[in-house]
Amino acid sequence: EVQVLESGGGLVQPGGSLRLSCAVSGFTISSYAMTWVRQAPGKGLEWVSAITGSGGSTYYADSVKGRFTISRDNSKNTLYLQMNSLRAEDTAVYYCAKDNSGSYLGPIDYWGQGTLVTVSS
Amino acid sequence: QPVLTQSSSASASLGSSVKLTCTLSSGHSNYIIAWHQQQPGKAPRYLMKLEDSGSYNKGSGVPDRFSGSSSGADRYLTISNLQFGDEADYYCETWTANTQVFGGGTKLTVL
Repeated sequence: EVQVLESGGGLVQPGGSLRLSCAVSGFTISSYAMTWVRQAPGKGLEWVSAITGSGGSTYYADSVKGRFTISRDNSKNTLYLQMNSLRAEDTAVYYCAKDNSGSYLGPIDYWGQGTLVTVSS
Repeated sequence: QPVLTQSSSASASLGSSVKLTCTLSSGHSNYIIAWHQQQPGKAPRYLMKLEDSGSYNKGSGVPDRFSGSSSGADRYLTISNLQFGDEADYYCETWTANTQVFGGGTKLTVL
């Protein structure tokens, strides 16, 4: 059974940093593209970043490029999102998701439960 | 990159059917999309992948009441025999070599 579990969310001051983790089971993380999607309060889904399975190419939305870094630890079957220089507009629930492709992106076929990140002083 | 357009809201009566639309932007009418359901207060759930041919593959456990179809740049999600539990936000998703894109979502109300 595929399971995706995020952790690491919380309250952080503007300009601060936070690292989200996503522990998965039921599949090998290096075999599939993985994606971070966020949802601001009362808003729709926004793609944030993705990493392909084979090759580990990384991609970012313009809104987070240069501030966020996606990575993975294959030995721990865990995905990460390092978030630096956080802004109020980064406040959202962050979802970790599995894509159903390996070498390329999309579509998402499993979602985690999400972790809330609040950026506020 | 492609843009996905969805109506902000839709409503239909209990036991009836509803057809939700996701429209691909010009030049992207052959793109494959996915449909996701997000019930109130919950994480999204994958429903199906839908090709421009109208062929679709549903996720595990998705009821037979959910089906997909396509026409030109439009991708449809049809839900038959509506239940109160179908009241949710529905998002379409597509992707390119280096990005993923979501539509704005349709809020479905079951009357």
